[in-house]
Parts: sequence; structure tokens; C-alpha cells
Amino acid sequence: AQRVTQPEKLLSVFKGAPVELKCNYSYSGSPELFWYVQYSRQRLQLLLRHISRESIKGFTADLNKGETSFHLKKPFAQEEDSAMYYCALRGAQKLVFGQGTRLTINP
Amino acid sequence: SQTIHQWPATLVQPVGSPLSLECTVEGTSNPNLYWYRQAAGRGLQLLFYSVGIGQISSEVPQNLSASRPQDRQFILSSKKLLLSDSGFYLCAWSLERNTEAFFGQGTRLTVV
Repeated sequence: AQRVTQPEKLLSVFKGAPVELKCNYSYSGSPELFWYVQYSRQRLQLLLRHISRESIKGFTADLNKGETSFHLKKPFAQEEDSAMYYCALRGAQKLVFGQGTRLTINP
Repeated sequence: SQTIHQWPATLVQPVGSPLSLECTVEGTSNPNLYWYRQAAGRGLQLLFYSVGIGQISSEVPQNLSASRPQDRQFILSSKKLLLSDSGFYLCAWSLERNTEAFFGQGTRLTVV
């Protein structure tokens, strides 16, 4: 089975504080993992993918196959980071998403 | 450039009426196509996906069906809507492995 779990529905941190959005997955094959973000009144869009190993808008995510995790991190949160974040897993052609975490950055 | 169109943006339908939501993709060939329902507290639930014309995989048994009559057209349908079918429906497409998925603007369906 292909499954993504985001344990936190809501996460609230202060501006300048570190942020970590948790994501765990279940998949028997070689996973492709992504983080998508949805800002207010905008379409869902890709934030980053594990294969690229890049930092986007200060966010990074490392695939940990031993812990089957792909947590999203940023050392210093900014107010514009407030959004809905989804972790996604692609296996073969199927693309499944977690329940999402609504991140709120307080000034 | 590639674009995805999804319509209508909002729809109010009575219980028991039929449904047809359309999604079309431009600027690419043989995309993987997806229908999702986005509900508060439940995230993005995959409903159907398609890897080619006439090929539909259903993820969740329900009152809905999907069809792909053309390479870049994906249709979500119901013969008789239920109140529980209300929600926000998203269409998306993607290509090869490790490429991103692109989403439509979504359809807000309210069944009354």
C-alpha cells in the first residue's frame, strides 16, 4: 500500500523560529517524495522534491529511508511561509498526498 | 507551455442530479491524469488516476466515476449526486518519474 501521514493538522510558530513539518510514508518500492504548498487563494504547487536535494525558499527536506520520513525544515520562519503544506508520494504512476499541515507564522 | 483547465469553478447541484466535471490539459502528450477531492481535515484524497486513454484506476469506492475519452481530457461524473459528494475537486497532470504535478483551479461542488 502507498500511504503518506502528516501527523500535525495545524502548526503555529513565531517569526524567526525554526519550523519542522513532519511526513512519514509507507511504500514497498523506491519512493519519489515531494512537498507541495498552497498559499491563500493560489493553486497547489510544488515546493521541492527529494531527488533534487535542493533548498527552496529556505526549506529543505531529507529522505530518511530507515525511518521512512521526509520532514520539511526551515531554520528561520517568515510570515510569508504561512500556507497549507502537503507531503506527497509517487509510486509507479499513482500520486498520493498526506492530510496536510496548515502552517501559521505569528509575527 | 503546458496549461490545465478545469471547469466549472463552482457548482451547486440538487441531490439526485447528475454531475460532469471536465478537465483538459494543453501543451503536452500522454500525461498521467488525476482527480482528487480536497476536504478540510482530510487532505487530498486520490479518487481516480489514468495513465492513458480509456485507462482508469479507481482508488475509493464511491458514487463517482471517471472517464478519459481523449488523451488530454479527464471527466469526473456521477449519475445521482449525494449530499456527501459536496467538496472541492481538483484535477492534476504529470509526466515522467520525479516530475511535478500541475493542478487545476479546482471546482467547489455543493450538493443541496
